[in-house]
Amino acid sequence: DVKVTQSSRYLVKRTGEKVFLECVQDMDHENMFWYRQDPGLGLRLIYFSYDVKMKEKGDIPEGYSVSREKKERFSLILESASTNQTSMYLCASSLWDPLGGYTFGSGTRLTVV
Amino acid sequence: GQQLNQSPQSMFIQEGEDVSMNCTSSSIFNTWLWYKQDPGEGPVLLIALYKAGELTSNGRLTAQFGITRKDSFLNISASIPSDVGIYFCAGQPGSARQLTFGSGTQLTVLP
Repeated sequence: DVKVTQSSRYLVKRTGEKVFLECVQDMDHENMFWYRQDPGLGLRLIYFSYDVKMKEKGDIPEGYSVSREKKERFSLILESASTNQTSMYLCASSLWDPLGGYTFGSGTRLTVV
Repeated sequence: GQQLNQSPQSMFIQEGEDVSMNCTSSSIFNTWLWYKQDPGEGPVLLIALYKAGELTSNGRLTAQFGITRKDSFLNISASIPSDVGIYFCAGQPGSARQLTFGSGTQLTVLP
């Protein structure tokens, strides 16, 4: 069964900590995406990548960075976590042409205290 | 970025009732997709539509790709408790390598 795996389901971090959220896909997909989901705000795109070592800003990149050193892995980094980054984070991947849709991971619920 | 208007934002229905939700866009989409997100999980693809006018069913779910290519709807017949969740529409504008998502419809099924 094809999968997008996010390393943690739940995380609790302190304000100011550097936080790494990891995402791995086993479908040889070219495209990978990071979203955050907050009640009433839908899915908001943080960063995306179409290739190894390539990254593009989404709609809300402030306070985040990403890394894609290997095709299957896309990491989201919170350089200095803040309480307003408490959210559900979703990773997704797709083929070069996403007409078949994205495959999402199960999400990481991050709480910053 | 581009916007998809999804309505309604939330629905409370009785078990056994039918449900309808829709998405509209100001621009043309080449692909329409419908996802369901169970509580605490990531969205899962339900139905994909690729041609204007296409009507596709998946069990109790039926979705249509609007003739104008600017809208799509999803119907759920005879709702059951496990239909609870957030339903998202998504579209691919032109040959874009990204999908545009609607804001979601939160469905609650009352016993």
